[in-house]
Amino acid sequence: EDKVVQSPLSLVVHEGDTVTLNCSYEVTNFRSLLWYKQEKKAPTFLFMLTSSGIEKKSGRLSSILDKKELSSILNITATQTGDSAIYLCALCKGGGADGLTFGKGTHLIIQP
Amino acid sequence: NAGVTQTPKFQVLKTGQSMTLQCAQDMNHEYMSWYRQDPGMGLRLIHYSVGAGITDQGEVPNGYNVSRSTTEDFPLRLLSAAPSQTSVYFCASSLGGANVLTFGAGSRLTVL
Repeated sequence: EDKVVQSPLSLVVHEGDTVTLNCSYEVTNFRSLLWYKQEKKAPTFLFMLTSSGIEKKSGRLSSILDKKELSSILNITATQTGDSAIYLCALCKGGGADGLTFGKGTHLIIQP
Repeated sequence: NAGVTQTPKFQVLKTGQSMTLQCAQDMNHEYMSWYRQDPGMGLRLIHYSVGAGITDQGEVPNGYNVSRSTTEDFPLRLLSAAPSQTSVYFCASSLGGANVLTFGAGSRLTVL
C-alpha cells in the first residue's frame, strides 16, 4: 500500500527561524512528489519534484527530492508569520490518473 | 478566471438525507477529482474523472456517486448521509493527470 509520512506533525518556531519539513514515502511506480500549502481554505501548489527535477526553489522556499532515500524536504528560510499554514506532501504515481496520495501534513506556526 | 468553484460552502444534513455538492471549473481541465479532509487523516481521494463520460473510484468511494456529463462539471452526490461523512470536501482539477491540482475553496458538510 502506498504511504506518505510527514514529520513533524506540528512545529512552532519564531519569526526569522529556518525550518525543515520532512516527507518520506513508499510507492510503486513513482511519478512525482508535490508540496502544497494550505492556509484557511484550499491547498495551493508550491513545488513538483520528479526524477528529472529533484530540486526546486522559489524565494525563501526550496525543496529537494532524494529518490535513493525515498524522501523529500521542504525548507523555509527567514520565516514570516504569513508562512503559518499546513504543508502537505503528496505523491503522484504511474500514469497520473489515480489521484494524489497525501500525507497528514505538518502544521507550522510562526510566532512573532 | 474563476478557477474551481464549489457550492455550497456550508451544509448541515440529517442522517439519511441526500444532497449534491457542485463543482465547476472554467480552465478546460480534463482531470477532475473529489477529496475529503478529516482531522488527522489528511486528504483522501473519493472519486475522479479523466474526461467527460469517464469516472472511477478513489480510496474512499462508499456512500458517494459522481457523474461527468461535461468537461466543466463534476458533482458529488451523497446518497444517504451518515455522520461519518461529516468532513470538508474539496474538488480539484488539472490539465492532465493528477499532478498539479487546482483546488476549490471547499465545502464543509455536517451530518447530524
